[in-house]
Amino acid sequence: QVQVVESGGGVVQPGGSLRLSCAASGFNFRTYAMHWVCQSPGKGLEWVASIRHDGSDKYYADSVKGRFTISRDNSKNTVYLQMDNLRAEDTAVYYCAKDSLSYSTGSYGDYWGQGTLVSVSS
Amino acid sequence: DIQMTQSPSSLSASVGDRVTITCRASQGIRNYLAWFQQKPGKAPKSLINAASNLQSGVPSKFSAGGSGTDFTLTISSLQPEDFATYYCQQYNSYPLTFGGGTKVEIK
Repeated sequence: QVQVVESGGGVVQPGGSLRLSCAASGFNFRTYAMHWVCQSPGKGLEWVASIRHDGSDKYYADSVKGRFTISRDNSKNTVYLQMDNLRAEDTAVYYCAKDSLSYSTGSYGDYWGQGTLVSVSS
Repeated sequence: DIQMTQSPSSLSASVGDRVTITCRASQGIRNYLAWFQQKPGKAPKSLINAASNLQSGVPSKFSAGGSGTDFTLTISSLQPEDFATYYCQQYNSYPLTFGGGTKVEIK
């Protein structure tokens, strides 16, 4: 069955860095775009970044552009989110999601992980 | 950017009620709309894609429709497991955007 499992969250000081990982299984990872979506405490869902199946295109929310980098290693069935220059407002649960369509530029996530909490605080 | 506006932001309903949630896009998105259900402390679950197609395994009490800018999600007969927050999301173009959510609570 399809599984995506996030890891790497934790507590970090403002200005610090963190790398999130998302390990995927149960589907042909190298043919699907992947997404990161976050949810601040008590708030709604916010799209963060997406990457095409082969890593050829990456897309970012304006709020993280220049600070976060999405990447993937298809040999390890893993997608990453490098988070630099973190701010208090980045505090959220970060979800990884598999795109619904193979070889697409990105649509919606049909399978989601349970999320990993990032807390930015001094 | 395409803004997604959901209404209402919350509603109270009883078991057995029929409820409808509305999602409006700030510009036309054809039928590139998905609906999600989220329960407290859990990941979102995909319910609907392409505005009206039920995801595999989603019960038929859920239905949805619309095209262009106006969309709806209807739950025909609310059951205790349906009390949750529902989100719409457009995937017509980047940046992908979600509605603010509709919390369905027990009356």
